[in-house]
Amino acid sequence: KAGVTQTPRYLIKTRGQQVTLSCSPISGHRSVSWYQQTPGQGLQFLFEYFSETQRNKGNFPGRFSGRQFSNSRSEMNVSTLELGDSALYLCASSTGPVTGELFFGEGSRLTVL
Amino acid sequence: SQQGEEDPQALSIQEGENATMNCSYKTSINNLQWYRQNSGRGLVHLILIRSNEREKHSGRLRVTLDTSKKSSSLLITASRAADTASYFCATDEQSGNEKLTFGTGTRLTIIP
Repeated sequence: KAGVTQTPRYLIKTRGQQVTLSCSPISGHRSVSWYQQTPGQGLQFLFEYFSETQRNKGNFPGRFSGRQFSNSRSEMNVSTLELGDSALYLCASSTGPVTGELFFGEGSRLTVL
Repeated sequence: SQQGEEDPQALSIQEGENATMNCSYKTSINNLQWYRQNSGRGLVHLILIRSNEREKHSGRLRVTLDTSKKSSSLLITASRAADTASYFCATDEQSGNEKLTFGTGTRLTIIP
């Protein structure tokens, strides 16, 4: 069974631009969560989707948004990028409760210049 | 915000020695999990311990949970170079906020 796939793995943007990151969960997993990881703040929860519905959202500004498609694939978007958005964005999928075992992708490393 | 605080922040030991890292958290939990992250990669689930459990084993891993002290420890026995990674605890809070909250992590380095 293929693992969680995140694309792109690396990207560089400039301030003010927007970015879209993609996540394909493990086949059969309907829950997808997104996390931002930075050296200063650690792992911060962004949002979680289940069956195309956002079930939970972390404490991030409205510039951060996401969605989930009918095949459970998920995208997150960050608009009007700021330097502080530079981070490793991690996607995780799970079969059942989002508070159980999570299966993580390798992440998308975003650098904002 | 961080629920868990790992201690120590960094740990270096010789290969073959045991490594112990600790996690303290603030609110009552349903379960606590440990994850490993190799540098710049995704996290890998290691073990989950429920609030009504006190100890759990998986291979060379031993996890304990003390809910009265709101703390957990992860012991890795007979360490190997491949164990070099960052280790995070993650808690499922009883408040029902339906998410895992990760700690700050312990950076473990195994010296060959």
